Amino acid sequence: LAKTTQPISMDSYEGQEVNITCSHNNIATNDYITWYQQFPSQGPRFIIQGYKTKVTNEVASLFIPADRKSSTLSLPRVSLSDTAVYYCLVAVYNTDKLIFGTGTRLQVFP
Amino acid sequence: NAGVMQNPRHLVRRRGQEARLRCSPMKGHSHVYWYRQLPEEGLKFMVYLQKENIIDESGMPKERFSAEFPKEGPSILRIQQVVRGDSAAYFCASSPEYSTDTQYFGPGTRLTVL
Repeated sequence: LAKTTQPISMDSYEGQEVNITCSHNNIATNDYITWYQQFPSQGPRFIIQGYKTKVTNEVASLFIPADRKSSTLSLPRVSLSDTAVYYCLVAVYNTDKLIFGTGTRLQVFP
Repeated sequence: NAGVMQNPRHLVRRRGQEARLRCSPMKGHSHVYWYRQLPEEGLKFMVYLQKENIIDESGMPKERFSAEFPKEGPSILRIQQVVRGDSAAYFCASSPEYSTDTQYFGPGTRLTVL
């Protein structure tokens, strides 16, 4: 399983766009990139998943360059409620074992 | 449409006692996963079960821990003779058969061992 590296923490203000980059230099051909969000005292929540180029849903966008050695989760116009830990995971599609790192703690200020 | 349910939400045990954690997956999900999270750390995979079968228990400690997912009823994570180091948040997740990497997590059980 590819190891991921992401910033330990980030700060932002309400209304700003937040981009969290994750490095996964050893990503394999069959690996997908998935992001989860975790609020304090709650279980993680699936945000978005992608293989290459760009994926967008109602919550976020995921940008993956051609070499797939990194990916960027983009949160448009964050609010206070987006304060959470964001985990980048890389795994074979339909894996049964999610490997979580320490994630990125995003703090949004008013 | 209820999500993944876990109970109890908080559990306090003294050293040497047994802890039983329950997990009811989302309706229609036949795959259950257990993870453990220590403070300020990411979740660590413990075990993956389907109905009446343990598929992958590579993350389970070899002693004192066991898990089951019977044909009827919730999945149970059982910790015998708890020690202080077992204090953690234990999360259960479930997934549909066709998308096992999109897992839906419960609210967790916070186990405190005195």
